[in-house]
Amino acid sequence: KAGVTQTPRYLIKTRGQQVTLSCSPISGHRSVSWYQQTPGQGLQFLFEYFSETQRNKGNFPGRFSGRQFSNSRSEMNVSTLELGDSALYLCASSLDRVSGNTIYFGEGSWLTVV
Amino acid sequence: QQQVKQSPQSLIVQKGGISIINCAYENTAFDYFPWYQQFPGKGPALLIAIRPDVSEKKEGRFTISFNKSAKQFSLHIMDSQPGDSATYFCAASGPGTYKYIFGTGTRLKVLA
Repeated sequence: KAGVTQTPRYLIKTRGQQVTLSCSPISGHRSVSWYQQTPGQGLQFLFEYFSETQRNKGNFPGRFSGRQFSNSRSEMNVSTLELGDSALYLCASSLDRVSGNTIYFGEGSWLTVV
Repeated sequence: QQQVKQSPQSLIVQKGGISIINCAYENTAFDYFPWYQQFPGKGPALLIAIRPDVSEKKEGRFTISFNKSAKQFSLHIMDSQPGDSATYFCAASGPGTYKYIFGTGTRLKVLA
């Protein structure tokens, strides 16, 4: 069974640009959540989607947004990039919100803002 | 109230020794406590998890001990191996959500 797939794996953007990251969950998983990982702040929750609806949102500015499609695939977008947005962005998927709380992470998208 | 405090920040253990990482939480609504292992350049991988109705859970060389009254839980790695060298994160979440609150991580190095 394929794991969580994230694309692109590495990207470099210029300050002020925007970026879109993609996530394909494990087959059959309907919930997708996103996390930002930085050396200084660790792993921080961005948002959580289930059945195309955002169920929960972390304490990030409105420049960070996401969506989930009917096939459970998800995208997150960061507009007006700042240097501090440089991070590993991790997507995680889980079966649903009832049967358990285990989330499975992808390998992440490394974003560098210059 | 949403924090999960993890210690130590780094840990060096001899091969065959026991590695112990501790976490403490404040929010009594948390009902799921997983541990993740992360190697450089990889995403975190679930290692073992526990719910508060159980005081201990063992899977192979990995054991979680849970103290509900103290709001603490710990990971014990028995017979530590060099291949266990990685960063370990504890986390906590509440019912019906995948919003995990992660600890700050422990960088474990097991010396051969």
